[in-house]
This record gives sequence, C-alpha cells and structure tokens, in this order.
Amino acid sequence: GIQVEQSPPDLILQEGANSTLRCNFSDSVNNLQWFHQNPWGQLINLFYIPSGTKQNGRLSATTVATERYSLLYISSSQTTDSGVYFCVGGQGGKLIFGQGTELSVKP
Amino acid sequence: DSGVTQTPKHLITATGQRVTLRCSPRSGDLSVYWYQQSLDQGLQFLIQYYNGEERAKGNILERFSAQQFPDLHSELNLSSLELGDSALYFCASSAQGTVNEQFFGPGTRLTVL
Repeated sequence: GIQVEQSPPDLILQEGANSTLRCNFSDSVNNLQWFHQNPWGQLINLFYIPSGTKQNGRLSATTVATERYSLLYISSSQTTDSGVYFCVGGQGGKLIFGQGTELSVKP
Repeated sequence: DSGVTQTPKHLITATGQRVTLRCSPRSGDLSVYWYQQSLDQGLQFLIQYYNGEERAKGNILERFSAQQFPDLHSELNLSSLELGDSALYFCASSAQGTVNEQFFGPGTRLTVL
C-alpha cells in the first residue's frame, strides 16, 4: 500500500518564526489533505490539495503530484499553531495518514 | 465545527464488553469513514460506507463491525473488547465515495479497563 513519510517528526519554534513541513508519498495519490490535530485531539482541515498551491492566511500548501510530495508552510507562527500536523493521502476513499510532525511554538 | 457529530465523547468500559459508537455525517454527505488513533499504531483507516453500502475496508478487526443506516448515520460496534482497543475513534464524512475532501468529527475516546 501507499506509504506516507513526513518530516521533520518534531519541530520547536519561537513565536514569529516560519517553517516548512514536508510529506512524501510512495505512490501517486488522488486525494491529499493536511490536518492539524490540536492538543484536545480535534482534527482540523487545513487544505485539500491533490495538486497545485493554496493559501489560507498564514498557512499555504503546495503539492507537486508528479513528484509525489507536498509542502505545508507556516509563517509568523503563533502558540496556537502547536499540535500535530498530518499529511494524508489516498487513492479512492481510504486515507493513509503519515506519522505527523509535532510542532511546539514557544512564546 | 466540521458538521460531523459523534457520540459519546468518552466511553469507559471493561474487557470483554461490547460498545457502539455513533456518527452523523455532514448534511448532504453520503460517505462515512471510521478511523482509529492509538498511541502505538497512529491513525488508521478502518472502514468506509457510501450511501448504505460498504465501499472500502482497512485494518478492521473481525470483532469490529459497522453499518450505515438509511438516514446516513453510521454506527461502529466493538465487541469482546481488549485493553489494546483503547483509542480515539474518529468518524469522517465526504460528499462522494472516492475523490473528495473528508471532514472529521470530534472523536470518541474509548478506555477499556
């Protein structure tokens, strides 16, 4: 099956810093999403981005489908950005989750 | 708020017991998915239903079963519970059965003692 690799596994930032999270897929996917799991366990949709680039406030994402990777950019990080970021991909309805990047933003 | 609801929020039970988790999808969504998040296995896909029919199956144990009812809500039944079944169980929904954005409910935290 499809393997999803996320990097880095952990990231500690000072408030205001920028970061890039990466996700590699072992095979092509037609369904790619980024989620933020907050400290209360809730999975929050960030982007649905099988290809191309999208921006939403301080966050943006780019997926290069032909090279099987996706990037999530967080600019001017805030303490509320802390949590685990998951890249998720699949063929059809079944989504395969990466192991996540645990982000901690310090004030 | 994603629009997906799950009940109960928390469930504490004993080994050997059976529980039922309930999920209501977003209005208009036909597909429901179940996922399990445990400390050792991460987030894993269990099963998908589309308009009442099973569409895809993942790493779902034989002790677990699910169904989707005519009003599109879904239930996940877990039986002969073991300590290792303690986890956060998520339901998600999407508009179509295949290529479509999934929205997750708040989850049900199951603790098996």
